[in-house]
Amino acid sequence: SQKIEQNSEALNIQEGKTATLTCNYTNYSPAYLQWYRQDPGRGPVFLLLIRENEKEKRKERLKVTFDTTLKQSLFHITASQPADSATYLCARGAGGGNKLTFGTGTQLKVEL
Amino acid sequence: GAVVSQHPSWVICKSGTSVKIECRSLDFQATTMFWYRQFPKQSLMLMATSNEGSKATYEQGVEKDKFLINHASLTLSTLTVTSAHPEDSSFYICSAGTGEYEQYFGPGTRLTVT
Repeated sequence: SQKIEQNSEALNIQEGKTATLTCNYTNYSPAYLQWYRQDPGRGPVFLLLIRENEKEKRKERLKVTFDTTLKQSLFHITASQPADSATYLCARGAGGGNKLTFGTGTQLKVEL
Repeated sequence: GAVVSQHPSWVICKSGTSVKIECRSLDFQATTMFWYRQFPKQSLMLMATSNEGSKATYEQGVEKDKFLINHASLTLSTLTVTSAHPEDSSFYICSAGTGEYEQYFGPGTRLTVT
């Protein structure tokens, strides 16, 4: 089965620094990977999608990379702010019909 | 745009009763809706996929007679947890797809079965 693995340990960083979160996948490369933000007690919010043939994608302070050799995607938040504190989920396509398989997420805490 | 609502946001019910959760896409038509369950500190687990006007497709290990899904229109899907038991207590989240790859999630429904 295709799995998505994210570091389950919380990541604490200082405000203004760049946060880097890792997502590793198993088996064949998915056609795309997606990143979502989830706040406590809320549903996930879509952030970025990166396709297999794209090495990097940016959106404002967010950057995602896709390395098919390492079977890994990195998610960066530059100039991080306390408001960026949340759990970030990585997801890959899971079969047909646009189904997704999610990782367990990495909790990010940005401290003043 | 792409707003999905869920109702109720939380519900407490007694063991043995049934609970219905509604999922609506407010400003777009959803070709497909998905239902997930999430336990504390765990990932979202896909329960079923539903397309308007057809029967839902359930993931392995999900009892279709216990979790009834109805997708009556392109903007409404419902999940009914029948004969709920304490182990069904969880956070239930729906999402809607527009045909593109990303999904738009509802705010979730916290179900507590006593």
